[in-house]
Amino acid sequence: DQQVKQNSPSLSVQEGRISILNCDYTNSMFDYFLWYKKYPAEGPTFLISISSIKDKNEDGRFTVFLNKSAKHLSLHIVPSQPGDSAVYFCAASAQGGSEKLVFGKGMKLTVNP
Amino acid sequence: ETGVTQSPTHLIKTRGQQVTLRCSSQSGHNTVSWYQQALGQGPQFIFQYYREEENGRGNFPPRFSGLQFPNYSSELNVNALELDDSALYLCASSPDRGLGGYTFGSGTRLTVV
Repeated sequence: DQQVKQNSPSLSVQEGRISILNCDYTNSMFDYFLWYKKYPAEGPTFLISISSIKDKNEDGRFTVFLNKSAKHLSLHIVPSQPGDSAVYFCAASAQGGSEKLVFGKGMKLTVNP
Repeated sequence: ETGVTQSPTHLIKTRGQQVTLRCSSQSGHNTVSWYQQALGQGPQFIFQYYREEENGRGNFPPRFSGLQFPNYSSELNVNALELDDSALYLCASSPDRGLGGYTFGSGTRLTVV
């Protein structure tokens, strides 16, 4: 039973365009959501997070949107750069982030020059 | 000391053997979590230690056990290795049970033959 789903395994975009990565969750107890980026042979690196009391959080080129009623969040990267090419994981947690992280399967983003 | 370091980076073991994986957390981080990432999957929570006590466990059998030491290091022990235990094992540390975020190490790639 996957509680966090990333239904698209891969995405390819042109440099300078927008990348939109989607994530759905099923557990209503989740109240804290995170995006991690992972390069090969490295551990996941924290990108951006959002609490369920917000519907948007922005950090530079990265914006995360949360739609609680749809149990859906998305990560927007604008403009996309070739260095953004990596595997992106959506993760969710309960109790404000103090509970374990539940990850999706990840999505491979390729940004073409 | 900054960052989370894991050792060894790669390991090959035979089915039925025992293995110990090590993690050195960031100084001051009293919480460490271990995750298993199988090929093509997202990281799955194994267990978490907070101030040297187990503070949550995922759906893993008792042959997966751990220890956390006062010097911010920790161990993951797996007994009676099975072929399905082949995976990337990730350690993540946090200053306070996930509040403040998790910093991941680069992982140990375990292959069971």
